[in-house]
Amino acid sequence: DIQMTQSPPTLSASVGDRVTITCRASQSISTWLAWYQQKPGKAPKVLIYKASTLRSGVPSRFSGSGSGTEFTLTISSLQPDDFATYYCQQYDSYSRTFGQGTKLEIK
Amino acid sequence: EEQLLESGGNLVQPGGSLRLSCAPAGFTFRNYAMTWVRQAPGKGLEWVSTITDTGGRTYYADSVKGRFTVSRDNSNNMLYLQINSLRAEDTAVYHCSKGSGWVDPWGPGTLVTVSS
Repeated sequence: DIQMTQSPPTLSASVGDRVTITCRASQSISTWLAWYQQKPGKAPKVLIYKASTLRSGVPSRFSGSGSGTEFTLTISSLQPDDFATYYCQQYDSYSRTFGQGTKLEIK
Repeated sequence: EEQLLESGGNLVQPGGSLRLSCAPAGFTFRNYAMTWVRQAPGKGLEWVSTITDTGGRTYYADSVKGRFTVSRDNSNNMLYLQINSLRAEDTAVYHCSKGSGWVDPWGPGTLVTVSS
């Protein structure tokens, strides 16, 4: 199975900060990568798919980049609603796998 | 608005079985592959299974292969997950979701607790 490693596990930041979360795949997945946001007690929501395509309705402060084995999710200016846990997910192989998550906390 | 709603979760003893259901709304169910993802309490997301739009192909995580069976009824717009030989480590909220690669939307989930 393809392993997905996210870093950091926890990130403390303030409103207005620019933050970046990294996801590394154990083998090349081209751009078959999605990013999800999950708030406590809620189901995840997709933010980005195909590594850099913003899902309709998602604010433009979210962006994704990367290909092959290295990917990033960037939030250009943190808003109060953005404090949540973020997951990457590969869909290159039919055994889909998620990263372990990055919890974005208020500093 | 596209929505999904799971049901069927319960407290079961190790070795027991359950059938989870997922009811879609707001989209043409028969046109889409569907996926189950679970989340153990306080843990991350784990892909469980995917079924193609016709139900002709199914895919499973190694951790559930041989114990879980995904199926669908396109005539009645329902998705199912039959879970057998339950283990403590299967305790989780089980979400159904639309799609097979990136998946969206997700249902709120149904809780399966495996304990004696």
